[in-house]
Amino acid sequence: KAGVTQTPRYLIKTRGQQVTLSCSPISGHRSVSWYQQTPGQGLQFLFEYFSETQRNKGNFPGRFSGRQFSNSRSEMNVSTLELGDSALYLCASSPELAPGNTIYFGEGSWLTVV
Amino acid sequence: QKEVEQNSGPLSVPEGAIASLNCTYSDRGSQSFFWYRQYSGKSPELIMFIYSNGDKEDGRFTAQLNKASQYVSLLIRDSQPSDSATYLCAVIKSSTLGRLYFGRGTQLTVWP
Repeated sequence: KAGVTQTPRYLIKTRGQQVTLSCSPISGHRSVSWYQQTPGQGLQFLFEYFSETQRNKGNFPGRFSGRQFSNSRSEMNVSTLELGDSALYLCASSPELAPGNTIYFGEGSWLTVV
Repeated sequence: QKEVEQNSGPLSVPEGAIASLNCTYSDRGSQSFFWYRQYSGKSPELIMFIYSNGDKEDGRFTAQLNKASQYVSLLIRDSQPSDSATYLCAVIKSSTLGRLYFGRGTQLTVWP
């Protein structure tokens, strides 16, 4: 069974550009969530989708957005990139929104903004 | 008050010893509890999850949950140098299913 797949794994962008990251959850998983990890702030929650609906949202500016497709694949977009957006972006998937369900992470997308 | 707090460490134990990692959480509505292991430069790897009071064992790992005390711990028996990593405690609250609240992590070093 394939795990959570994130693409691209590494990318370098220039300030002001935008970036789109993709996540394919484990087959059968319907919940997809996104996290940003930086050395200074640790793991911070971005948003979570279930059945194409955003159910939870973290405290990030509107430059950060996401969506989920009918096949549960998800994308997140960051517009007008800033140096501080350099981070590891992690996608996680879970079967359902219920206690007792495990949550697995993908390998992440390393974003460097220069 | 932070949602999830971990003993910040770093924690250093000799090979073969028991490593004990602790975590407290603030919301009594927390329902599921996770321990992730993260090696430097890698993504978090799920090693244990628990949602009922008591102990849960998987190989060398034991997770302990005490909801009355709002406390969850991870014991690693017969620690190996390959266990050296940052261990992240995370919880899910009933009010925000699907969202993990993370502690800052405890860095564990197992020396031979």
